Amino acid sequence: NAGVMQNPRHLVRRRGQEARLRCSPMKGHSHVYWYRQLPEEGLKFMVYLQKENIIDESGMPKERFSAEFPKEGPSILRIQQVVRGDSAAYFCASSSDGVGYEQYFGPGTRLTVT
Amino acid sequence: SQKIEQNSEALNIQEGKTATLTCNYTNYSPAYLQWYRQDPGRGPVFLLLIRENEKEKRKERLKVTFDTTLKQSLFHITASQPADSATYLCALDPSGNTGKLIFGQGTTLQVKP
Repeated sequence: NAGVMQNPRHLVRRRGQEARLRCSPMKGHSHVYWYRQLPEEGLKFMVYLQKENIIDESGMPKERFSAEFPKEGPSILRIQQVVRGDSAAYFCASSSDGVGYEQYFGPGTRLTVT
Repeated sequence: SQKIEQNSEALNIQEGKTATLTCNYTNYSPAYLQWYRQDPGRGPVFLLLIRENEKEKRKERLKVTFDTTLKQSLFHITASQPADSATYLCALDPSGNTGKLIFGQGTTLQVKP
């Protein structure tokens, strides 16, 4: 049973470009979470999605960031017009249910904005 | 304000000893609390989940306690090994019914042979 998969593992973008981060949850999991970890900082919640629905996006910046989890295919975190401050590790996690269950994390995508 | 705090200083212990890590929270009423392990360059790995009606939970050499009066969770690793060296994160669901997790900053444990 494959774990949570994220790609790419490393992504370099110039300021102003778009970054697309992909996450395939564990088989059978329909709940996906995105977290961001800045250098020397803790994990910060960004968004919680179920298939085709955004449940909670309270941690996501209002501008330039969007997330989706379509009926078919991986979850996508999109960052438009990236800035240097977006450089971070972005982790995706999945769970079999939303509340009171452990989350399984992927290896992360390390975004570097030059 | 709401806070979840872990010892920011690294914890250095000798192999074979028990490591005890602390997680304190303020202005939250979590229904459960979770502990994760994170190695450098990797994603967190789930270790244990403890619910508010459970005082203690064990898994092999790991033990977690949850005191809702003190608003504190303690994480113990008995008979520690160098392979236990990592950063340990506590996390809680801020309202108990959202599924999203708020993480502490983590405590780095170094077990010396």
